[in-house]
Amino acid sequence: QVKLHQWGAGLLKPSETLSLTCAVYNAPVSGYYWAWIRQSPEKGLEWLGEVDHRGITNVNPSVKGRLTISIDTFKKEVSLKLTSLIVTDTAVYYCARDPAPRGGGGFDFWGQGARITVSS
Amino acid sequence: EIVMTQSPATLSLSPGERATLSCRASHNIRNDLAWYQQKSGQPPRLLISAASTRATGVPNRFSGSGSGTDFTLTINGLQSEDFGIYFCQQYSDWPPRTFGQGTRVEVK
Repeated sequence: QVKLHQWGAGLLKPSETLSLTCAVYNAPVSGYYWAWIRQSPEKGLEWLGEVDHRGITNVNPSVKGRLTISIDTFKKEVSLKLTSLIVTDTAVYYCARDPAPRGGGGFDFWGQGARITVSS
Repeated sequence: EIVMTQSPATLSLSPGERATLSCRASHNIRNDLAWYQQKSGQPPRLLISAASTRATGVPNRFSGSGSGTDFTLTINGLQSEDFGIYFCQQYSDWPPRTFGQGTRVEVK
């Protein structure tokens, strides 16, 4: 069974940088996009961006300039860095698999989520 | 950016009843639509992709229909485990991929 396990710091201050990592088990990283999605009561589910096994990324314009997504194909880990944090970045952050490059659609496997709070 | 609008916000139904959830896209998305179910404290679970194709392990009481801008998720014979929040998501035109704001299906 495909499993995504994610980790990263939970409480941060404004202007700091959020770093999250997502490890992929029982699936290849090639042939998929690996996405980061966040969820908050204010904004709902928000797709932040994605990376493929070549390191090619797509990023939501709402966070462009602050978001970096990368992949380590050897470790099968996907990472997120979100800089210059503001209070409204507070959310539960998920990593998820997107089978789009294989012709599929929808995010078929998700990490367990990481609750991130940005507060002074 | 394609805006996804779901209705109603809340659906109050009894077990055994049929649930009909709507999702509208601001532009034509063909059938590039997914539906998810989310329960408290859990990530969303993919139910349907390509507007009408059930994901592996999804019971056949869940069905999706529609194309273009108007889509429907139907749950026939609500079971206790079906109560939760349902989201639609388009993957036709991105970035960004966008989600609806959700419909809560609650026990009447």
